Amino acid sequence: EAQVTQNPRYLITVTGKKLTVTCSQNMNHEYMSWYRQDPGLGLRQIYYSMNVEVTDKGDVPEGYKVSRKEKRNFPLILESPSPNQTSLYFCASSSLTGGKETQYFGPGTRLLVL
Amino acid sequence: AQKVTQAQTEISVVEKEDVTLDCVYETRDTTYYLFWYKQPPSGELVFLIRRNSFDEQNEISGRYSWNFQKSTSSFNFTITASQVVDSAVYFCALSGYLGGSEKLVFGKGMKLTVNP
Repeated sequence: EAQVTQNPRYLITVTGKKLTVTCSQNMNHEYMSWYRQDPGLGLRQIYYSMNVEVTDKGDVPEGYKVSRKEKRNFPLILESPSPNQTSLYFCASSSLTGGKETQYFGPGTRLLVL
Repeated sequence: AQKVTQAQTEISVVEKEDVTLDCVYETRDTTYYLFWYKQPPSGELVFLIRRNSFDEQNEISGRYSWNFQKSTSSFNFTITASQVVDSAVYFCALSGYLGGSEKLVFGKGMKLTVNP
């Protein structure tokens, strides 16, 4: 079954305590990305990766890091979380085959930074 | 800068009505992609369509259809004979190829409520 998994699904943490949200896909997709969703601000892209070792900033990369060492995994790292990073985070993967795109999203990670 | 505007924030219709969700975009790229996504009340995100800037053909998928008009920079989404299960927030998005980037920008979303 095609799947994007994210862990943890819910997390409460404190300011400054480093955390990693994992994202894994089982579809051998080249393209992966991270988004955050906030009331009134909608969805915003944080980082994306077009393949292994190829990453680039999205709209709101400040305070986040990513890595793409393997095709299936694309972790999101918050080195020193702050309350303004409290949000709902989505990971996604996609590929383009024969001109048709398929995209899948993870279930979301709800993060609260105190 | 790239921008996506979904002027309608909320629409309420009765089942079986047709409804069109508007999306207007701004970009200086000559090559770009347009997307629609659905987020039902359960919260997950569902990809609906991607259309590239060179393909202005309308697309139909069941009750869903998309009308891309470069002349008006619009990529509107129509649901025919709406159903309660279509109730969701719908997002339009744009990505360009400026400098090889695939940065994606979303509209603010439009909440559709379909009443029985």
